[in-house]
Formats: sequence, C-alpha cells, structure tokens
Amino acid sequence: SQTIHQWPATLVQPVGSPLSLECTVEGTSNPNLYWYRQAAGRGLQLLFYSIGIDQISSEVPQNLSASRPQDRQFILSSKKLLLSDSGFYLCAWSVPGRTIAEAFFGQGTRLTVV
Amino acid sequence: AQTVTQSQPEMSVQEAETVTLSCTYDTSENNYYLFWYKQPPSRQMILVIRQEAYKQQNATENRFSVNFQKAAKSFSLKISDSQLGDTAMYFCAFTHWGAGSYQLTFGKGTKLSVIP
Repeated sequence: SQTIHQWPATLVQPVGSPLSLECTVEGTSNPNLYWYRQAAGRGLQLLFYSIGIDQISSEVPQNLSASRPQDRQFILSSKKLLLSDSGFYLCAWSVPGRTIAEAFFGQGTRLTVV
Repeated sequence: AQTVTQSQPEMSVQEAETVTLSCTYDTSENNYYLFWYKQPPSRQMILVIRQEAYKQQNATENRFSVNFQKAAKSFSLKISDSQLGDTAMYFCAFTHWGAGSYQLTFGKGTKLSVIP
C-alpha cells in the first residue's frame, strides 16, 4: 500500500533563517506531488506541484521554492523565512499519469516564524 | 477560475443527530470532481466522499452522503448519526476533469463540533 511521510511535524524558525521541509511517498512510482499551505481562516492554497523529476510548477509567487531530487521525494525550501510564511504545510500525492481525481495527504508541518 | 465557497465557518450538532454542511462552487467546466475532506485535530486530511459531476446519483459512504445539485452548483454533505469522532474541520474541494488537472481548489472550511 502507498504511504506518505512528511516531517518535521512542528517547526519554529526565526525570521531570515532557511527552511527545508521533506516529503516522501512509498509504494508507488512517479507520483504527482504537491505542496499546499493552509493559513488561519483560509482554505488550502496550492504552492507547487510536480509531475516528474525536473518538472515542478509554481502556482503562487512567493518566498518559497520546491525541488524533487528523487522520484518520490519532494522538498519545500526557503533561503530566508518571512513572518508571513507561518502556516500549516501539507504535502500530497496523486496517482501518476492521471488527473488529480483524489489526493492523499501527509500529516502536515506546523511552521511558526518568529 | 474556479471558486469554492463554504458559508458556515462553524457548526455544532448533538451526538446521534444529523447535520448538513453547505458548499457552493463556481466553474465554467462541465466535467469535474467534487470532494469533501475531513481534517481532525490531528491535522491529517482524510477524503470523506467524492462525486463525479457526470453522475446524477448522489454519492454515499456509510453515514456520509451528498446532495449534488449541478445546475445550482451546490454540493452539501450530510452526516447522519453524528459521532464524537466526526468533530473536525470539513473542506469542500473541486478539480476539473482533464489533462493538466493538478489543482485542487478548496473552500475555507467548516468547523464541526459534535456535542455529547
């Protein structure tokens, strides 16, 4: 069966520090991968999606970047965090090669920038 | 652009009672999927139910059912025999059906509290 792992679960970082959140999927090959952000009082906002290695699309211009160093690994990064980067970050995957009929989510990372 | 609106920020229901959560959406597409996701205090997003727009029959999943009104662009979730474990944020979501459909558009959520 497929599983998705996301870490860390919580993170407190000072303004201006770098960020690296990791997400890995097991039990499938070439999944579609996604990073979402959930801010207080708002729905989930798609940040990045990837349909393969070296194929990453950004949905929202921001202080963040994404990379996919391996087929089933998706990393969300920032060189210098802003206060506005605080939020709940969710990684997700969907069946490869198909439209997103259903996404499976990780357990999320609560990021607080202080 | 697609939008999803959940007009009820918070709701509460007595245990064993029935509650309906509302969702409306806006799209010019004819083929699409609609979802309800549940996010309990553990924060894990869990798919509750899915509806394909081409299907006239409303989807059901045990105690969860939807009322899909395509012309009205309405997609409400009914939870029957509410249980304490149903306490969670519920998100309505939309994606269109076709090549390049990588975007799940979410509403802002409804916080449901089940009262013992």
